[in-house]
Amino acid sequence: GEDVEQSLFLSVREGDSSVINCTYTDSSSTYLYWYKQEPGAGLQLLTYIFSNMDMKQDQRLTVLLNKKDKHLSLRIADTQTGDSAIYFCAESFTNTGNQFYFGTGTSLTVIP
Amino acid sequence: DVKVTQSSRYLVKRTGEKVFLECVQDMDHENMFWYRQDPGLGLRLIYFSYDVKMKEKGDIPEGYSVSREKKERFSLILESASTNQTSMYLCASSLTGQVVAFFGQGTRLTVV
Repeated sequence: GEDVEQSLFLSVREGDSSVINCTYTDSSSTYLYWYKQEPGAGLQLLTYIFSNMDMKQDQRLTVLLNKKDKHLSLRIADTQTGDSAIYFCAESFTNTGNQFYFGTGTSLTVIP
Repeated sequence: DVKVTQSSRYLVKRTGEKVFLECVQDMDHENMFWYRQDPGLGLRLIYFSYDVKMKEKGDIPEGYSVSREKKERFSLILESASTNQTSMYLCASSLTGQVVAFFGQGTRLTVV
């Protein structure tokens, strides 16, 4: 199956920027996603990017996609304590009936 | 508003019991999924269904079965629960032709 890799942990100070990275192996994905999971909760979609785009910005969130290197990143500007959560990257392929492949998740801790 | 509801937040079952995890979505989505989440392993797909009475095995179907008798409901069945099935179980749904999966709040299952 598809491999989607992330670092397990990241710590940043409140007010700094966070950058969460993701690498994947199958470049035929159609969409790539970032989901957020707060403690004890399900996954909440943060943002997604079509695979022919390089960048997408949505308020404090910036998604960068480097298809050549098969690398996706999520930058959170002015990180707040409420951003502490697990962040999952994911990809989907239109020829598999909307099946999604998820990364291992990165646990972000924001230090006050 | 989109809603995926899992019947229980927390469950404790004994080894050998038959366990049912229920998931209901109110969005008329064709696709429904069951994932298992374990630390450091991310989300792993157990089964998915793309229509009523249709199912496909995911990456880790062993020890599980599923049932989809109605479009809105997707059940995960542990035929004989074992301690290695202690985990967080997440249900999701999506609409074919759209790109986003919506998640329930998760069921934390402990098998003792």
